[in-house]
Amino acid sequence: AQSVAQPEDQVNVAEGNPLTVKCTYSVSGNPYLFWYVQYPNRGLQFLLKYITGDNLVKGSYGFEAEFNKSQTSFHLKKPSALVSDSALYFCAVRDVNTGTASKLTFGTGTRLQVTL
Amino acid sequence: DTGVSQNPRHKITKRGQNVTFRCDPISEHNRLYWYRQTLGQGPEFLTYFQNEAQLEKSRLLSDRFSAERPKGSFSTLEIQRTEQGDSAMYLCASSLRSTRGEETQYFGPGTRLLVL
Repeated sequence: AQSVAQPEDQVNVAEGNPLTVKCTYSVSGNPYLFWYVQYPNRGLQFLLKYITGDNLVKGSYGFEAEFNKSQTSFHLKKPSALVSDSALYFCAVRDVNTGTASKLTFGTGTRLQVTL
Repeated sequence: DTGVSQNPRHKITKRGQNVTFRCDPISEHNRLYWYRQTLGQGPEFLTYFQNEAQLEKSRLLSDRFSAERPKGSFSTLEIQRTEQGDSAMYLCASSLRSTRGEETQYFGPGTRLLVL
């Protein structure tokens, strides 16, 4: 079975400071990893994904994420946070070797609050 | 706008009534997914289609739930004899099947269901 843990319910950061939203995963094989963002009363918006290759993945709106296989982590980062980044962030995983559905398994989400 | 669309955006119903939601995927996408998101949780997989074939259903999908994608384009999700526990956001996503399975799922805005 595949699973995702987002250990922080909320992350608070001041505008202009770097931010990190943590994610760890568990799969039996190799993972495909995704980050999505959700604004209030909206669907999920794709930010970035790791498939293979470079461990540092760059995505939309200046976000990036670092895949660490030994720590089974895929933390989301941004060098300089904006107030408009305040939203709910979800990490998701899919096991490459499941051989069946391409369904995603999501974490419980981390609320990012960026203040002036 | 060529994104995933869902209708209605909001639905309030009384317990015991039937409801139906519609999802229109991105036009060239051959895979379509339904997820359910309850407050404070990440989306949970319900079912998915490849073209018109329903290939997997979650154990979350009780026999009161049925989904169709009759012509491989739009999909409907019907809940019969609704219960208060069905109150949630129902999210639809679509993707273009890839040989390695690394495709990105793009989500619609969701249908928020409230069962009174």
